[in-house]
Amino acid sequence: AQKITQTQPGMFVQEKEAVTLDCTYDTSDPSYGLFWYKQPSSGEMIFLIYQGSYDQQNATEGRYSLNFQKARKSANLVISASQLGDSAMYFCAMRDPLNTDKLIFGTGTRLQVFP
Amino acid sequence: GAVVSQHPSRVICKSGTSVKIECRSLDFQATTMFWYRQFPKKSLMLMATSNEGSKATYEQGVEKDKFLINHASLTLSTLTVTSAHPEDSSFYICSASEDRAGNQPQHFGDGTRLSIL
Repeated sequence: AQKITQTQPGMFVQEKEAVTLDCTYDTSDPSYGLFWYKQPSSGEMIFLIYQGSYDQQNATEGRYSLNFQKARKSANLVISASQLGDSAMYFCAMRDPLNTDKLIFGTGTRLQVFP
Repeated sequence: GAVVSQHPSRVICKSGTSVKIECRSLDFQATTMFWYRQFPKKSLMLMATSNEGSKATYEQGVEKDKFLINHASLTLSTLTVTSAHPEDSSFYICSASEDRAGNQPQHFGDGTRLSIL
């Protein structure tokens, strides 16, 4: 069965430092997509970055990059130069290979950025 | 970029009331929308897949008669929590995707905080 695992319930990082949020996944399908979302305390889900299983390069979007290690089935999110506004919940998600419309979410990591 | 609007953002009502939540795709057509429920400090739990012009597909354990879903047009899906009780209090959030091939992200509404007294 497809599964997303986020082992860090909470992380702290100092402002301007980089932080890595871990995500591992399990699927037997060769074609899949991985997403990261940010959820501030206000509740909205903000799409950050996408990595396709066949993408040759790691995805990057501004201060966000995805450390995609296919053999290890990991898709860690790296946030560079952390800002106070980065404090939020972060969810890793995978497109369900059996139903490409569905997303399977991890349990999330709460990131707190301190001055 | 694609925008999904969800309304209302917050509802507080008495037990026994039915509550309707709307989810609209503002600048794209969505044949499929999704409804999630989120408990405090927990992940999103998919409740159902809303299909335009046909019946919704509910996840295991979700009561169809409690959570009525209607997807009457390509830009609007509604979730009605019927005869709501305090245990239905939660954060409900919808999403939609422009692309069924899997490369585009789902775009989420801002969510609805439902509190049943």
